[in-house]
Parts: sequence; structure tokens; C-alpha cells
Amino acid sequence: DAGITQSPRHKVTETGTPVTLRCHQTENHRYMYWYRQDPGHGLRLIHYSYGVKDTDKGEVSDGYSVSRSKTEDFLLTLESATSSQTSVYFCAATGTGTYNEQFFGPGTRLTVL
Amino acid sequence: GENVEQHPSTLSVQEGDSAVIKCTYSDSASNYFPWYKQELGKGPQLIIDIRSNVGEKKDQRIAVTLNKTAKHFSLHITETQPEDSAVYFCAASKGTNAGKSTFGDGTTLTVKP
Repeated sequence: DAGITQSPRHKVTETGTPVTLRCHQTENHRYMYWYRQDPGHGLRLIHYSYGVKDTDKGEVSDGYSVSRSKTEDFLLTLESATSSQTSVYFCAATGTGTYNEQFFGPGTRLTVL
Repeated sequence: GENVEQHPSTLSVQEGDSAVIKCTYSDSASNYFPWYKQELGKGPQLIIDIRSNVGEKKDQRIAVTLNKTAKHFSLHITETQPEDSAVYFCAASKGTNAGKSTFGDGTTLTVKP
């Protein structure tokens, strides 16, 4: 997984509780991303970061927030989890420059009851 | 925004046969088209990519073709092996930020020994 780890790998939580997922990379990549993957769908971009403290929304950002205080860490927070946020979440990272390869983490399976 | 359609959703072939997966995209400004392989329980991994100034690219048993006029691109796997069994995703982006790709919904390839 090219130096990208995610924690936790599995989580079960209840509706209305806050949840934070962590992505950590060791390759000093500038760009980092959070995707969700649902059955029958490809990956959909939630939020991304183009540097420390620089983030922007993706196509499915409602109900999610992110933070990046260090190059190596990118946090995804569900302020108040809902059942529709049950999904597998992937973190990814790319370096600076055009057409750089995107590396993915192993994923976090989140279940919201 | 960009829309990527991928077909077929499932594909079963006999070992040694060829497999072809096709994608179409809607945004003529897209200029970078990666393909990812996702094995069970893992994150996607880039297997091949093509840029809009190239019509075909080959890497051993894998090839990708691009038709900019028709806005479609295809993945070709020859001499398939059981270890090629996985979910394959196509994606399209404008290249300056590969992580902002729009993904197809995936193709589950099964190679029967």
C-alpha cells in the first residue's frame, strides 16, 4: 500500500455518534484524498487536501469534514454518523506533478447501526 | 461534471482467454485515464494508465486503448490467469490532479482455471 495506513480498519458505531478515521502516509506526498466505496459503485471523492491546512470538497462531501495539520496525516470526521454513511472508506495520496500515480490505503469498513 | 460508464459489470473468462473492459467518458477536457485493480480486502492499485496524446499503451499482458473522438477507452488483458481475478476500475481526470478522477462502477473479472 505504498506507505499508506488507515485506522481503524473496522468500526461499528451507532447513529448520531461522531467518528474520526485516520490516514497516515510516510512518503511525503503532497495530495491526499478520502473516498467512499459502496456496492455497485466506483470510488467517490469525499474531500481532498493539496497541502497542510489546505482542503477542498469532493462530490459527496455532505456530512463529512476533514483536517490536515501535518503532511503525513489526513483525518476524516463524521460529525454525526448516519446509516447512509455505512461504507468502505479509502484514503489515497499522490505526489506533486501531473499524472502522478495515486496510491491507496487498505480501507476502513465503517458500519453505522 | 465528468461521468464515466464502465461495461460489463461482471466478466467471466476461461484461463488463457482474453478479457476486454470498456469505459466511456463525457468530459472532452479529460486527458488522463488510469486503470486500477482491486483485490478482495485491499485498496485499488494502478495497473496501467494512458494520456490523451497517446492512442495505445502496452505493458506485458495488459494494454489500454483510447479513442478521444468517441470518448472511450478500453482495457485488454491477454492470456488471462486465475490471479487476474479481481475488480477493475477505470477512471478519468484532467490530469493535473490525478486524485480528482471520476471512477467507473467497476468490473468483476473471474478467470476460471
